Amino acid sequence: DSGVTQTPKHLITATGQRVTLRCSPRSGDLSVYWYQQSLDQGLQFLIQYYNGEERAKGNILERFSAQQFPDLHSELNLSSLELGDSALYFCASSVGGAALSYEQYFGPGTRLTVT
Amino acid sequence: GQQLNQSPQSMFIQEGEDVSMNCTSSSIFNTWLWYKQDPGEGPVLLIALYKAGELTSNGRLTAQFGITRKDSFLNISASIPSDVGIYFCAGPNFGNEKLTFGTGTRLTIIP
Repeated sequence: DSGVTQTPKHLITATGQRVTLRCSPRSGDLSVYWYQQSLDQGLQFLIQYYNGEERAKGNILERFSAQQFPDLHSELNLSSLELGDSALYFCASSVGGAALSYEQYFGPGTRLTVT
Repeated sequence: GQQLNQSPQSMFIQEGEDVSMNCTSSSIFNTWLWYKQDPGEGPVLLIALYKAGELTSNGRLTAQFGITRKDSFLNISASIPSDVGIYFCAGPNFGNEKLTFGTGTRLTIIP
């Protein structure tokens, strides 16, 4: 158990809909990262938040957005869903900060299926 | 951007065999991380390397940070069934904490 929690575990929804994925980082971690993993694909970095502020952005679609709340949990919002958005979405956390901690710990993921 | 290529792409071995895999980059990395992912689960951090030439072990796993800083190696000794999964290398992009992940090596143990 990495200490990172994600909900829900599974999500099935229709095209055009909007969903919210939730992540709670390990205790003490200030950085949260979101990744997308499509079938048999590698992990694609989406976005990073550090202590409530956006720190880095990857190949995140404009239909997707994220935020990190004062209690450090994070939410990833996916809207106008398309079939191609079906994937595993992972959240990871790290200590973050000036020390540039690279060791990220991953949650169990949310499997999104768009029908 | 930076790319990490892993080889082999897949391995089929018998229980008890030793395993070697590597990860190469087109640019220099200052940190290498190795993760293992079981089907449908999140990646689990196995080993972190911070210094060129460094050799670090975690049980039956040993990883090395290549001297050129453009590659890293992971060895698994005396493989067991729970070693099955996909192994990813990863490294941070220059100047920030964003990780680039390798293409992965899928390990299968033949009964």
